[in-house]
Amino acid sequence: GQNIDQPTEMTATEGAIVQINCTYQTSGFNGLFWYQQHAGEAPTFLSYNVLDGLEEKGRFSSFLSRSKGYSYLLLKELQMKDSASYLCAVDSGTYKYIFGTGTRLKVLA
Amino acid sequence: NAGVMQNPRHLVRRRGQEARLRCSPMKGHSHVYWYRQLPEEGLKFMVYLQKENIIDESGMPKERFSAEFPKEGPSILRIQQVVRGDSAAYFCASRGQGNTGELFFGEGSRLTVL
Repeated sequence: GQNIDQPTEMTATEGAIVQINCTYQTSGFNGLFWYQQHAGEAPTFLSYNVLDGLEEKGRFSSFLSRSKGYSYLLLKELQMKDSASYLCAVDSGTYKYIFGTGTRLKVLA
Repeated sequence: NAGVMQNPRHLVRRRGQEARLRCSPMKGHSHVYWYRQLPEEGLKFMVYLQKENIIDESGMPKERFSAEFPKEGPSILRIQQVVRGDSAAYFCASRGQGNTGELFFGEGSRLTVL
């Protein structure tokens, strides 16, 4: 079957670093995406990994290990506006993008 | 360059009525996806379409739900004889050519069934 797991909720302090993990088991793999979704809004694209390793983009980085079926999203210098849900999604290679249930991140002052 | 446009943003229907949700993909995009999201849950895949073709509808209930993406005009997700359990946010996303690529999402249509 197709399965993507993420923690349901995380809490961190403004200015800190937080790592959101995602593990996946899919029939195929054509890349992994991270999206940010504020409450009541559309998901917006953050990052894409298809090869193993770290992709850095400003305060956000994403890591992928295909052999372990594992990815994480790293957020540095947390800001209050980073409070949102973070969705891990896998392109399983059948044009079907499968989303995890999302991790609700709460940033505290 | 307009993004993915969905309408209506909010729709209220009584049980047994029909709901029709529209999605215009980004300019130049020919791949459209529909997802359903319940409050504080993830996105559940429903259907993937290209122009005039349903590629994968494995996430869509066999009864009452249908989707289309005609040669001209927006993609439409149609729910007949709505029930309370259909209340959810329905997101449309599009992507460009190629075998993969990021999805661009619309703002969603929030359906409430009374």
